[in-house]
Amino acid sequence: QSALTQPPSASGSPGQSVTISCTGTSSDVGGYNYVSWYQQHPGKAPKLMIYEVSKRPSGVPDRFSGSKSGNTASLTVSGLQAEDEADYYCCSYAGSSNVFGGGTKLTVL
Amino acid sequence: EVQLVESGGGLVQPGGSLRLSCAASGFTFSSYWMHWVRQAPGKGLVWVSRINSDGYSTGYADSVKGRFTISRDNAKNTLYLQMNSLRVEDTAVYYCARVTSSSFNYWGQGNLVTVSS
Repeated sequence: QSALTQPPSASGSPGQSVTISCTGTSSDVGGYNYVSWYQQHPGKAPKLMIYEVSKRPSGVPDRFSGSKSGNTASLTVSGLQAEDEADYYCCSYAGSSNVFGGGTKLTVL
Repeated sequence: EVQLVESGGGLVQPGGSLRLSCAASGFTFSSYWMHWVRQAPGKGLVWVSRINSDGYSTGYADSVKGRFTISRDNAKNTLYLQMNSLRVEDTAVYYCARVTSSSFNYWGQGNLVTVSS
């Protein structure tokens, strides 16, 4: 049950695109198409942004997209906006459990 | 509207016990798997435990196995987390979450548990 690996920080200017990676193993990210991404603003509960690798829940802007290659999943935020500044966490199903990444703090410059 | 409302957190001494509750409303509680996720102050999210829809299958993170017990009462639409032998490192905000397609699509507001002498 080792945490998935995310970069601690990422940044971009308004309007730009940024991609956050999430690396696991064949026992989690690489073994299942059940990778999800969460956005968390300070003091708030996490919010689901992407599920099943690349699907967006209703209400999530299409600026947010997800993908996966092998043991690494990615979240791309296009057309960065000020309100996108937050912590982002990936999560993968891992058989009998779930495992989160350590989180990435996204800064909009 | 889906709502998950946690309660039962607070300050407890190391070695003590606490039971968290998560009251669900706005959906058919008995149809969904439920999970607990925690977040230590200033740290990331960590998966803690899960329970299937009828309560007969459970799972735990290694860090809490043997000390925490997840359960549910579908008649009361409530999820529980019994936490025994608490350690300082269990200090965190605990969230209950509803799962669909192995993703956490609804979360409670969080409940702070502080383990300190």
